[in-house]
Amino acid sequence: AQSVSQHNHHVILSEAASLELGCNYSYGGTVNLFWYVQYPGQHLQLLLKYFSGDPLVKGIKGFEAEFIKSKFSFNLRKPSVQWSDTAEYFCAVKHGGATNKLIFGTGTLLAVQP
Amino acid sequence: ETGVTQSPTHLIKTRGQQVTLRCSSQSGHNTVSWYQQALGQGPQFIFQYYREEENGRGNFPPRFSGLQFPNYSSELNVNALELDDSALYLCASTVDYQETQYFGPGTRLLVL
Repeated sequence: AQSVSQHNHHVILSEAASLELGCNYSYGGTVNLFWYVQYPGQHLQLLLKYFSGDPLVKGIKGFEAEFIKSKFSFNLRKPSVQWSDTAEYFCAVKHGGATNKLIFGTGTLLAVQP
Repeated sequence: ETGVTQSPTHLIKTRGQQVTLRCSSQSGHNTVSWYQQALGQGPQFIFQYYREEENGRGNFPPRFSGLQFPNYSSELNVNALELDDSALYLCASTVDYQETQYFGPGTRLLVL
């Protein structure tokens, strides 16, 4: 079955530390890739997305992600985190076709200590 | 804000009851998807409605059903509630199959 794996369930960082959250998916066909963020008490928000082209994509709030097709990975990075980045982060995959079905990973809870 | 609203915000039901959750999408968003997010898990796709017809379904039993209306609102109905149905239910809308889906704040359902 198609799946998305997020290897880090909980991450604790100090402010200004660098962040990398892993995401791997299991599907060999064309995929669209997303990172969503859920701040405490807020909606799921789109952080960034990859559909085609440059495998290094930039999103909001200084986040970026790199699509490595050979590794089925789409890792999220930020060079210097802030306390306000404390949130839950979800990686998601959408397959091609007439559907908006997103397959989500289990999420990574990031706590940034001031 | 995403322009997608859901009601109610919280709901408590007992096992065996039926529940209806509502979602109001942005004007023009003709595609709505519903997701179930259990505690500690990522959202799981329940089904999708496109122009008022179901056209995609995840691994959920038939007691999960839905409706989409011409005014860009939609409903998720769950019959014969089970304890495991306790979760956050999210709707997400977009235009056709565009890349970005906009999520609502969710309805938290507790089944006792």
